[in-house]
Amino acid sequence: QKEVEQNSGPLSVPEGAIASLNCTYSDRGSQSFFWYRQYSGKSPELIMFIYSNGDKEDGRFTAQLNKASQYVSLLIRDSQPSDSATYLCAANSGGYQKVTFGIGTKLQVIP
Amino acid sequence: DTGVSQDPRHKITKRGQNVTFRCDPISEHNRLYWYRQTLGQGPEFLTYFQNEAQLEKSRLLSDRFSAERPKGSFSTLEIQRTEQGDSAMYLCASSLAHPDQPQHFGDGTRLSIL
Repeated sequence: QKEVEQNSGPLSVPEGAIASLNCTYSDRGSQSFFWYRQYSGKSPELIMFIYSNGDKEDGRFTAQLNKASQYVSLLIRDSQPSDSATYLCAANSGGYQKVTFGIGTKLQVIP
Repeated sequence: DTGVSQDPRHKITKRGQNVTFRCDPISEHNRLYWYRQTLGQGPEFLTYFQNEAQLEKSRLLSDRFSAERPKGSFSTLEIQRTEQGDSAMYLCASSLAHPDQPQHFGDGTRLSIL
């Protein structure tokens, strides 16, 4: 079983819509969760991180964490074609800073 | 802005050759990580350092791979006797030494084995 699971997609949304990206993790000791955006051929770029249950907002991005359900999500409001990329979910191993990545969800924002 | 720097950006070599990559982390970061990423997959953890100490090495990492961070600043990743399956993007990341601190990635080194 993979430690961090994501649907590989592609997830297609029209421009201006809300894109919802989901992730589950298996290690209950994980305490920190990260979302990275990766454009094709480029390296991952940190978008957001979240540690506490609930929502964390930053501009058009909202990260949501539910530790009881071992579920993390990323919402992108007012999606733009420039948001088209692969979104990687990552979780640390509790007590360590080793981070495990999911395979990423490919998002396509259709103009 | 001095982010994570990796060199070279691209490396093409013949099977069986040795290759070495360099990573310069963000200056105040004492943790440094190496990952490998292939098409359609997320970054796969290889190893990480806190200062000059190598704290963990992936069980998936064969003995042909070695990494060093001699003075706790830059790091090198060497692959000996390269194989076709080593073709991938090699990513370096750095962070402060706290579980909550996110990792910041360099641009990566793309390795192609002929």
